[in-house]
Amino acid sequence: QVQLVQSGAEVKKSGASVKVSCKASGYSFSNHGVTWVRQAPGQGLEWMGWISGSNGNTEFAQKFQGRLSMTTDTSTTTAYMELRNLRSDDSAIFYCARDTGGFAGDGLDIWGQGTMVTVSS
Amino acid sequence: SYVLTQPPSVSVAPGKTATITCGGSNIGSKGVHWYRQKPGQAPVLVIHYDSDRPSGIPERFSGSNSGNTATLTISRVEAGDEADYYCQVWNSGTDHVIFGGGTRLTVL
Repeated sequence: QVQLVQSGAEVKKSGASVKVSCKASGYSFSNHGVTWVRQAPGQGLEWMGWISGSNGNTEFAQKFQGRLSMTTDTSTTTAYMELRNLRSDDSAIFYCARDTGGFAGDGLDIWGQGTMVTVSS
Repeated sequence: SYVLTQPPSVSVAPGKTATITCGGSNIGSKGVHWYRQKPGQAPVLVIHYDSDRPSGIPERFSGSNSGNTATLTISRVEAGDEADYYCQVWNSGTDHVIFGGGTRLTVL
């Protein structure tokens, strides 16, 4: 079936980097993009950015510019999100999600299970 | 920057109709998506592009969008509808996705 499976929980020190993977299966990877969404404990959804599954084009939220990277590996149909220079307020659940039609502004119809990232000082 | 405003909470009795609003400047010119998120779970798309229901979403869920307000309507509310609901748009001015702050729906 169509699904996104994310890598497991991470614990990092302040200043370190974290790289989360999102393995897609059950659909044509190149026909959809992947969006990354962050959710801090008890808070709402925060858009981090989007990467095209066909050509790797990206859009990033301005607040993450400079310390956020997104990549895809089409051979393994996996998307990756790397956040650098972690701070304690980066502690959150990170979700990947598939857009419905290959556009960053499309609805997100398939979500990963989420990856908890804890940043300690 | 573009802001989406949702009421923090909405309460409704079982069997009644819940209305959750999402306010934004000229939001009627944008496509609005709605998500339901239950505690400890990933969000689920319940309405996309203002009023389209993805497969598997009950007909009780409907959406509309005009002027400065988009609305998610849940008819014949059930206990299982209790969740947080988020609206989302694409802001073409900045090429960014914007989420509303979320509305907690409580079924009395």
